[in-house]
Amino acid sequence: AQSVTQLGSHVSVSEGALVLLRCNYSSSVPPYLFWYVQYPNQGLQLLLKYTSAATLVKGINGFEAEFKKSETSFHLTKPSAHMSDAAEYFCAVSRMDSSYKLIFGSGTRLLVRP
Amino acid sequence: GAVVSQHPSRVICKSGTSVKIECRSLDFQATTMFWYRQFPKQSLMLMATSNEGSKATYEQGVEKDKFLINHASLTLSTLTVTSAHPEDSSFYICSARGTVGSENTIYFGEGSWLTVV
Repeated sequence: AQSVTQLGSHVSVSEGALVLLRCNYSSSVPPYLFWYVQYPNQGLQLLLKYTSAATLVKGINGFEAEFKKSETSFHLTKPSAHMSDAAEYFCAVSRMDSSYKLIFGSGTRLLVRP
Repeated sequence: GAVVSQHPSRVICKSGTSVKIECRSLDFQATTMFWYRQFPKQSLMLMATSNEGSKATYEQGVEKDKFLINHASLTLSTLTVTSAHPEDSSFYICSARGTVGSENTIYFGEGSWLTVV
């Protein structure tokens, strides 16, 4: 079975500050890991994904995440927050096979203070 | 780029009626489509997985007779909520798995708000 835990339902940072959104996964098989962003009343946009290549994954909008197998973590970071980064962020895991069946975490709402 | 389109984006229906939501892949052939449900301020819950030309595989606890899924072509999947009730009101999101160029990944639709009154 697979699961994802996102620590912190809300994270608040100042504009220009470091963004760190935490994600820990549980998987009995090698996982694919994803980060998605959702703006209000919209669908999901893929930020980045880990599919067993480089452990440090760079995504869109300046975000990156590092896969750490020893810590079963895939935390999302951005060096400097922008007001436009305020949104809901979801971490997701799937089996490393052809199914791409995603299991989502509970989400973290990022608030950016001026 | 790859786009997955959902229609309608918002729908209001009367209790007891049925409503259909469409999910289309516009730039690629989607071998597999997924339907999710999202309650306000909550995460996405996978409802079912559909493969073109075969019956959908439903997640535990999802009523297959209530949430009818049809994946008749490689670019279209539909979700029909039958005999809808107010508790079915939710945000429904589809995703499609396909290959665009050399990239095999998942693309999400914009979601559909269903309100049952």
